[in-house]
Amino acid sequence: GNSVTQMEGPVTLSEEAFLTINCTYTATGYPSLFWYVQYPGEGLQLLLKATKADDKGSNKGFEATYRKETTSFHLEKGSVQVSDSAVYFCALSETTNAGKSTFGDGTTLTVKP
Amino acid sequence: NAGVTQTPKFRILKIGQSMTLQCTQDMNHNYMYWYRQDPGMGLKLIYYSVGAGITDKGEVPNGYNVSRSTTEDFPLRLELAAPSQTSVYFCASRDRASEKLFFGSGTQLSVL
Repeated sequence: GNSVTQMEGPVTLSEEAFLTINCTYTATGYPSLFWYVQYPGEGLQLLLKATKADDKGSNKGFEATYRKETTSFHLEKGSVQVSDSAVYFCALSETTNAGKSTFGDGTTLTVKP
Repeated sequence: NAGVTQTPKFRILKIGQSMTLQCTQDMNHNYMYWYRQDPGMGLKLIYYSVGAGITDKGEVPNGYNVSRSTTEDFPLRLELAAPSQTSVYFCASRDRASEKLFFGSGTQLSVL
């Protein structure tokens, strides 16, 4: 079956530091890949996505590139802010089979001023 | 601009009690899902639906039931609550074109 593995957290950074959260996946076929963000007390929100190999998703200064050869979709941001503190989930979605999604366990990011 | 609405936000149940978690979406999405999120873990799929009248089991369906009588509503039923069902429950719908999931704000359920 499908699976998503994220780097274990929590991650604590100072403001303006560089962020990388690693994500690797196992899937049959050609899934779409996503990063979702969850702020305290809220549901998950889509941060970015990529639908095929070598695509780069980007939003709000965050980026991730779909690497089929390494089955990875690492999240990066050049300069984090306190407001980026949240839980980040990597996920894949099957393009068939009802679009069911598989999620990683989440990585908690705390950014200190 | 409601999106996905879940009720209630919080609930405490005693072992053996029953309850229904409500979920409604106003985006005319055919695909809807129920997930549970345990502390420090990712989301596990409980049940899903690809349209009115069609539902199917996900990874962790035991102890739950669903129905989908309309496109908008997808309630989740717990028949005999057990402590193992203490979790945060999220309903989501999916836009077919963008593959984007839209989540409700969640229901925090404790079974004591």
